[in-house]
Amino acid sequence: NAGVTQTPKFRVLKTGQSMTLLCAQDMNHEYMYWYRQDPGMGLRLIHYSVGEGTTAKGEVPDGYNVSRLKKQNFLLGLESAAPSQTSVYFCASTTGTRGREQYFGPGTRLTVT
Amino acid sequence: AQTVTQSQPEMSVQEAETVTLSCTYDTSESDYYLFWYKQPPSRQMILVIRQEAYKQQNATENRFSVNFQKAAKSFSLKISDSQLGDAAMYFCAYEDTGTASKLTFGTGTRLQVTL
Repeated sequence: NAGVTQTPKFRVLKTGQSMTLLCAQDMNHEYMYWYRQDPGMGLRLIHYSVGEGTTAKGEVPDGYNVSRLKKQNFLLGLESAAPSQTSVYFCASTTGTRGREQYFGPGTRLTVT
Repeated sequence: AQTVTQSQPEMSVQEAETVTLSCTYDTSESDYYLFWYKQPPSRQMILVIRQEAYKQQNATENRFSVNFQKAAKSFSLKISDSQLGDAAMYFCAYEDTGTASKLTFGTGTRLQVTL
């Protein structure tokens, strides 16, 4: 049981390049989330999904797109990376019942130069 | 939108002593959940403790306990008998009362544990 995994763990992009971050969970969770963590700002929600085929915007969605074609996977895309998107990205999942723990992946450190 | 405030960017505690981390939040809801998550240097986010707003009894998990003051919208974390492994960033989080269980995090408190 791997829990929540993220691919890749590190990435360096040039401004304007695109990339996709992959999140996978093997716990059959309904809800999945993408957060970014910046120094002094805690974790902020980018996008989330409450089930296969659904996505919704979080607090800081601009410049990102997401897809959830399969229940176990949640993809985060950057179409044209900007230096302001340099951050650590975390994926999380939970059952869909209120008050339950969110399980986090190990994070992806992205640097945009 | 809900806000979560952690006013202590850094705290320090000696091994075996007790430390309290502060958290306040703003909401107009009456039923919600609050969490403390720990992020050690490994970067992995780990749930420490959870509190349901409808429960008056403060949650406890081994050496970790909370002081939940609903009227004051305060949710502090007490760590007793501090250990070197407790050194980490600690985040307070509020769960949205909507259908998506979204979390709003505070900015975190970095806890240092000294010998």
